[in-house]
Amino acid sequence: AQSVAQPEDQVNVAEGNPLTVKCTYSVSGNPYLFWYVQYPNRGLQFLLKYITGDNLVKGSYGFEAEFNKSQTSFHLKKPSALVSDSALYFCAVSSADRGSTLGRLYFGRGTQLTVWP
Amino acid sequence: KAGVTQTPRYLIKTRGQQVTLSCSPISGHRSVSWYQQTPGQGLQFLFEYFSETQRNKGNFPGRFSGRQFSNSRSEMNVSTLELGDSALYLCASSSTSGGPYEQYFGPGTRLTVT
Repeated sequence: AQSVAQPEDQVNVAEGNPLTVKCTYSVSGNPYLFWYVQYPNRGLQFLLKYITGDNLVKGSYGFEAEFNKSQTSFHLKKPSALVSDSALYFCAVSSADRGSTLGRLYFGRGTQLTVWP
Repeated sequence: KAGVTQTPRYLIKTRGQQVTLSCSPISGHRSVSWYQQTPGQGLQFLFEYFSETQRNKGNFPGRFSGRQFSNSRSEMNVSTLELGDSALYLCASSSTSGGPYEQYFGPGTRLTVT
């Protein structure tokens, strides 16, 4: 069965410092991994994805994530945090056949990122 | 390209009533998925439609149903509303050719059941 764990409910970081939001996953088959961000009273906004290829993927707003198959992790990172990065971050996983739709996404519980000035 | 649109954005209903939510996917996207988001349960998958066919279904009671039209627009219906159905309902669409591709989410419909 597919599942995602985000071990930290909250991450606090000072502006300008690097940030990491952790995610581990469990999936049968090839994993397709995603990060989404949610601002208050808004839907989820796509940040980046890992489908295949390079383990380091770059996404929107300077975010990147590293896929680690042996540790079944897909941590989200940013070299220098901004106050405007403060939001709720979700990791998601799916396992699908090539050429197919994703089917259902399995989401983590979310991590609230707070960046203080 | 316009994003995923959902109507209405806010809805207040009474227990026992039924409700229909609408979702228009990004132009060209044929896959539409629905999710329920609550503080207690997080994001839970309801169902996925592709080419007017339900392809996947989450673990929700039969009171929750959906459909997709030939233009890929989708609706979900909840009958006999319960207080626990109060949630943010999110619709997502994705492209399908040669995928799988990421899902793009709409702003959601905030349903409050009193």
